[in-house]
Amino acid sequence: DTGVSQDPRHKITKRGQNVTFRCDPISEHNRLYWYRQTLGQGPEFLTYFQNEAQLEKSRLLSDRFSAERPKGSFSTLEIQRTEQGDSAMYLCASSTPGSPLHFGNGTRLTVT
Amino acid sequence: EDQVTQSPEALRLQEGESSSLNCSYTVSGLRGLFWYRQDPGKGPEFLFTLYSAGEEKEKERLKATLTKKESFLHITAPKPEDSATYLCAVMNYGGSQGNLIFGKGTKLSVKP
Repeated sequence: DTGVSQDPRHKITKRGQNVTFRCDPISEHNRLYWYRQTLGQGPEFLTYFQNEAQLEKSRLLSDRFSAERPKGSFSTLEIQRTEQGDSAMYLCASSTPGSPLHFGNGTRLTVT
Repeated sequence: EDQVTQSPEALRLQEGESSSLNCSYTVSGLRGLFWYRQDPGKGPEFLFTLYSAGEEKEKERLKATLTKKESFLHITAPKPEDSATYLCAVMNYGGSQGNLIFGKGTKLSVKP
């Protein structure tokens, strides 16, 4: 069990640029989740995959956000035309049915 | 609306000074309550899942309990390495199995 891996750990970008983050879940986990966490707050749910199917998206996930999990293994989260309000820690988690979520160490995004 | 409130926001203890953290929740139907530990710059680390009132779980110096309205995380004889932010989250029957609703956390500092 190597844990959930996220890349990059830190990303600094200018407003208006596009960014993409990658998440590699624990290998036997078929469920994958994206959350966002801002300073002093708890994580907020963004979206959820079971295998390659995206089953739920939060209202927080605006049209500028898109997530994929093409082969049911790793996932990517893309933010287009970044805004300063997108600055946050983006957390990925994975699980098997009925088991708790295991989180990665996140990608910290700073939009200048 | 489902809601999780944690108190206190911050707690400072001397090494060996036992205390409790509170998590009050309002949820339409509780599927599970989760406790996580989060160190600075890291993702949340799973501690416990509680499913029904009266349930208790223990791990080293930590003990989690659950009632119909709140959960407590009891810390017995804490050590400096217990310093972290402790997050509480709930999952309801109406939501997907990945949609955890988190509180803002309690930041615990244990001084030697």
